[in-house]
Amino acid sequence: DAKTTQPNSMESNEEEPVHLPCNHSTISGTDYIHWYRQLPSQGPEYVIHGLTSNVNNRMASLAIAEDRKSSTLILHRATLRDAAVYYCIPTRNAGNMLTFGGGTRLMVKP
Amino acid sequence: EAGVVQSPRYKIIEKKQPVAFWCNPISGHNTLYWYLQNLGQGPELLIRYENEEAVDDSQLPKDRFSAERLKGVDSTLKIQPAELGDSAVYLCASSYAGSRSYNEQFFGPGTRLTVL
Repeated sequence: DAKTTQPNSMESNEEEPVHLPCNHSTISGTDYIHWYRQLPSQGPEYVIHGLTSNVNNRMASLAIAEDRKSSTLILHRATLRDAAVYYCIPTRNAGNMLTFGGGTRLMVKP
Repeated sequence: EAGVVQSPRYKIIEKKQPVAFWCNPISGHNTLYWYLQNLGQGPELLIRYENEEAVDDSQLPKDRFSAERLKGVDSTLKIQPAELGDSAVYLCASSYAGSRSYNEQFFGPGTRLTVL
């Protein structure tokens, strides 16, 4: 699986958009890009995934660079509940083999 | 719909004692995972089951760790004997691996193990 680089931490104000970057320059053409997040004292939860096209769901949007070497998770209006560690995970399958890195700890200020 | 259930939520034991963790996956999920998460790090896969079969246990320290998934439903992870370095959160996850489905993993809350 491709290696990823994410900022260790980011800070956002409540109700403002948040853009969480991820570099995955060694990604292969068939790797999916998954995002999970982990709220305090909970197990990780699925956020979104994509292959080539940008994706939207009720939780977030995923913007994938044209060369696929990077992606950005977009939270359109951060809430206090969005404070979590966000993991970007490129993987050569449809989600059944996840290799977690260190992720980005997002702090949301009221 | 009930999520992934794990018990106990917390466990404190002395080193060299045995310990066991239990996981009940979401009904109908054929794939079950055990992860270990050290403080400040992402989860690391220990073992993955497809139904009753352990299809990936390459990261499971087999000298002291064992796991089973009898009947392809719930699962138990055991450590015997526990060492100080085993203090961590043990996470269980499950997913449905269908031929055309995306295998979203659903995680339980974890068991926090403290070895004294």
